[in-house]
Amino acid sequence: EAQVTQNPRYLITVTGKKLTVTCSQNMNHEYMSWYRQDPGLGLRQIYYSMNVEVTDKGDVPEGYKVSRKEKRNFPLILESPSPNQTSLYFCASSLSGDRGGILGNQPQHFGDGTRLSIL
Amino acid sequence: AQSVTQPDIHITVSEGASLELRCNYSYGATPYLFWYVQSPGQGLQLLLKYFSGDTLVQGIKGFEAEFKRSQSSFNLRKPSVHWSDAAEYFCAVKTGGSYIPTFGRGTSLIVHP
Repeated sequence: EAQVTQNPRYLITVTGKKLTVTCSQNMNHEYMSWYRQDPGLGLRQIYYSMNVEVTDKGDVPEGYKVSRKEKRNFPLILESPSPNQTSLYFCASSLSGDRGGILGNQPQHFGDGTRLSIL
Repeated sequence: AQSVTQPDIHITVSEGASLELRCNYSYGATPYLFWYVQSPGQGLQLLLKYFSGDTLVQGIKGFEAEFKRSQSSFNLRKPSVHWSDAAEYFCAVKTGGSYIPTFGRGTSLIVHP
């Protein structure tokens, strides 16, 4: 079954304690991205990756890191989490991120979300 | 820069009634448009998309949307709502010159029996 898998689904932690949210997709997609969802703000993109070893900042990258060492995995790293990073996080993937071509406008497949609470 | 507006934060309808969720975008050329649905505790699922061609597009679960260039709108419709349609709905825009899609803030649909 084609899917995007995030872990953990829920996490409560404390300020300053490094954490990693994993994301894995089994569709051989090139493009992967991370969003955070906050009430009244919709989804905002944190980072995206066009392919292995290619990552770039989205709209709200501050306080986050990512890596793309393998095509299927795109972990989100919070080196020193703070309460303002309490949010619902989604990983997404799509076939290609090519901004000009038709493949670049394929819809994204989303994971089920990770709810982070930073105390 | 591209932007998306969903003017309605909440919409309440009775089961069996028709539905229209509004989406307006701001961009000079024709963007690529999407509607997603998010059920509680779930990720976003694509309902339909518009790239070009016929301005009335059909999606899953009985939804359709119409692209109106003159109004910069891409409203989502369903002729008869089911209780299972209660969810959060997001309109999204992506332009040919950007890697980053822009999502609206979402409209929460409440369905009364």
